[in-house]
Amino acid sequence: SQTIHQWPATLVQPVGSPLSLECTVEGTSNPNLYWYRQAAGRGLQLLFYSVGIGQISSEVPQNLSASRPQDRQFILSSKKLLLSDSGFYLCAWRFAGNEQFFGPGTRLTVL
Amino acid sequence: EDKVVQSPLSLVVHEGDTVTLNCSYEVTNFRSLLWYKQEKKAPTFLFMLTSSGIEKKSGRLSSILDKKELFSILNITATQTGDSAVYLCAPAHDISSGSARQLTFGSGTQLTVLP
Repeated sequence: SQTIHQWPATLVQPVGSPLSLECTVEGTSNPNLYWYRQAAGRGLQLLFYSVGIGQISSEVPQNLSASRPQDRQFILSSKKLLLSDSGFYLCAWRFAGNEQFFGPGTRLTVL
Repeated sequence: EDKVVQSPLSLVVHEGDTVTLNCSYEVTNFRSLLWYKQEKKAPTFLFMLTSSGIEKKSGRLSSILDKKELFSILNITATQTGDSAVYLCAPAHDISSGSARQLTFGSGTQLTVLP
């Protein structure tokens, strides 16, 4: 069966510091991978998606970037965090159907 | 621009009540409509509806899709405190040919079930 991992689970970072969030998927090959952000009390905003290694599409211009160095690894990064980057970051995967399945998420607080 | 509107934004009921949650959408290249439940953590998948008028059921939860009027409803009967959560609807659609199938989420309905 497929599983998706994210780490860290929580993170507190100062403004201006770098960020690296990691997501890995097990039990499937060549999945579509997605990064979402959810601000408090809001819906999920799609940030990036990837259909394959090295292929990244950005949905919202912002302070973040994404990379897919391996088939089942998706990384979200920032060189300098802003206060507005605080939120709940979710990674999701999809293979053949329309359903996306979410990882446990990372709660990021930027102070 | 793709748009998903859920109503009501929040709902407080007592155990045993029946609730109806609404979702209307306007997206390009619609494929199906998904419902998720989120309890202070990652969303968990509930239903996917692709055809109009066919009700999907899972225990006390059921959902139906109207592709002509572009809306879906999620019904929960005999609510329990464990049903308290945010319910998210998300149409699956293609932004453009060759793009990944995407979900556009509504802001959700916060359901609180009191004992």
